[in-house]
Amino acid sequence: GAVVSQHPSWVICKSGTSVKIECRSLDFQATTMFWYRQFPKQSLMLMATSNEGSKATYEQGVEKDKFLINHASLTLSTLTVTSAHPEDSSFYICSDSLRTGRNYGYTFGSGTRLTVV
Amino acid sequence: EDKVVQSPLSLVVHEGDTVTLNCSYEVTNFRSLLWYKQEKKAPTFLFMLTSSGIEKKSGRLSSILDKKELFSILNITATQTGDSAIYLCAVTTRDDKIIFGKGTRLHILP
Repeated sequence: GAVVSQHPSWVICKSGTSVKIECRSLDFQATTMFWYRQFPKQSLMLMATSNEGSKATYEQGVEKDKFLINHASLTLSTLTVTSAHPEDSSFYICSDSLRTGRNYGYTFGSGTRLTVV
Repeated sequence: EDKVVQSPLSLVVHEGDTVTLNCSYEVTNFRSLLWYKQEKKAPTFLFMLTSSGIEKKSGRLSSILDKKELFSILNITATQTGDSAIYLCAVTTRDDKIIFGKGTRLHILP
């Protein structure tokens, strides 16, 4: 099956700094990847759709200037949390997109736990 | 507005019991319904359902979809403590959106 690698697994940063999270598709070319956010004891919330070679599509209420998404190649999408604040502390997960003909669902990265202090 | 509703939100049973988790949905351009198990980290895929009435089975887990009544159930028989997790239901649409339910937090007592 598809393999999605996400890095780092966890990160602690100071308030006001920026953090970059990488999501790589290891065995396929991903023209589309998704970024989610999960607060404790809550479900996954889709933040944005990352499109290779074009601008990301953000869900309502997600600040595109704060959560910068770059999908410069078919195997790498990055999410940068800019000027992070404690309220940005969360679990961030990426996934690939469902492709026609595949008989299993989205594959998730292992997630990144961000703590902003 | 597209939505996915799971019930119950939490469930505590004893090892060996059978549980049924529910997922109902209202979405436009439905494509598939997915079940995931989430323990400490990222969700792991369980089932993808696209057609009504066809049961998917994997060991002690099974799931079925009813596209007329817009719901799915996930059954776990002879539960074990390792089944303790959050079970997430998600629905995908033909324009490649995915909407997650809030999940059911299942705890199996030894």
